Amino acid sequence: KQEVTQIPAALSVPEGENLVLNCSFTDSAIYNLQWFRQDPGKGLTSLLLIQSSQREQTSGRLNASLDKSSGRSTLYIAASQPGDSATYLCAVSPGNTGKLIFGQGTTLQVKP
Amino acid sequence: KAGVTQTPRYLIKTRGQQVTLSCSPISGHRSVSWYQQTPGQGLQFLFEYFSETQRNKGNFPGRFSGRQFSNSRSEMNVSTLELGDSALYLCASSYDRRGVTGELFFGEGSRLTVL
Repeated sequence: KQEVTQIPAALSVPEGENLVLNCSFTDSAIYNLQWFRQDPGKGLTSLLLIQSSQREQTSGRLNASLDKSSGRSTLYIAASQPGDSATYLCAVSPGNTGKLIFGQGTTLQVKP
Repeated sequence: KAGVTQTPRYLIKTRGQQVTLSCSPISGHRSVSWYQQTPGQGLQFLFEYFSETQRNKGNFPGRFSGRQFSNSRSEMNVSTLELGDSALYLCASSYDRRGVTGELFFGEGSRLTVL
């Protein structure tokens, strides 16, 4: 059974810091991995999608990497801003469908 | 381009009642998935519909059901509501091209409170 774990559960950093969020999964047979952001009481906003054949994806200050063999992904946020404060969720797709298995998320607070 | 639209955004029901939630996917998206989010269990997959057919189903009791219409809009129904069904219900759509499922886009969710 696929399990997704995110560490740390919570993180507080001063504005301007570069930071790394970690995601691990137990079964390397994934179709893709997606990172999301969720603001309190809101839906999920897609940040980055990495196909199983890719090693990384970049969007602005965000960079996500994928190492299928070790069952790990990292989300790197450069020059963090207070507006980055949110919960970040990692999810893997076990197949070519809309089914995702989510981690519990990392709640990030960026202090001005 | 309009995003995924979910209605209603908030609703309150009592135990034993039933509820129907609606989801309109992004135009052109044929896959619609439903998720339940609770503080204790996090985000859990309910089911997915593609071209009016259920393609995947999560581990939820039969009280949870869904359907998809020819215009890709989807509804989910929960019958005989229990207190534990209180949650944020999220719908996601994706563009399935040549059998390849792409990025999932989520709506704002329907917040259900069961009293």
